[in-house]
Amino acid sequence: GENVGLHLPTLSVQEGDNSIINCAYSNSASDYFIWYKQESGKGPQFIIDIRSNMDKRQGQRVTVLLNKTVKHLSLQIAATQPGDSAVYFCAEKINDMRFGAGTRLTVKP
Amino acid sequence: GAGVSQSPSNKVTEKGKDVELRCDPISGHTALYWYRQRLGQGLEFLIYFQGNSAPDKSGLPSDRFSAERTGESVSTLTIQRTQQEDSAVYLCASSFGQGSGNTIYFGEGSWLTVV
Repeated sequence: GENVGLHLPTLSVQEGDNSIINCAYSNSASDYFIWYKQESGKGPQFIIDIRSNMDKRQGQRVTVLLNKTVKHLSLQIAATQPGDSAVYFCAEKINDMRFGAGTRLTVKP
Repeated sequence: GAGVSQSPSNKVTEKGKDVELRCDPISGHTALYWYRQRLGQGLEFLIYFQGNSAPDKSGLPSDRFSAERTGESVSTLTIQRTQQEDSAVYLCASSFGQGSGNTIYFGEGSWLTVV
């Protein structure tokens, strides 16, 4: 079936560098996408979302890019900090919400 | 409440026993979701409730799993005759509605260990 997946399972960056986490989706009917951050032992925390009628949305230190042509979603984190270390999930939503496998981001001091 | 509340936070049970996991969504949220997350893995969709509509049960892995929701409030996920493979964290989430753009908030999860 159609699903949401991630290109990279792990990502390691230096503190202060920018991070880019990628996600591919295959359900062309999806019209809403969300990025979540999950720290160890905690539930997923909403980071940023984007509707399908947009191609970019910015938050505080985070930017989500949506390319509907190639069905690709990315999360950019500026000036990555040790507190950003976590697993990041993308999700697509029509009625229910389906998640990808997740990417573990590790920030080296 | 201020956030999605789940109980118990941790549960250890013997194989073959039944367990009930509870979720209190954010007040006013009509949509409620249950997910399962095995250690080191992603979130697996289980079931979705929206208002008084029939729930989407398409993610339930077997007939040992069931869930109920009272109106637009509390939900209970029941696992009968638990197996070791059921060990996971069970996450509940809620949102104002089913439409796109309604932010979905998660609880901290119920960690289930079947021994």
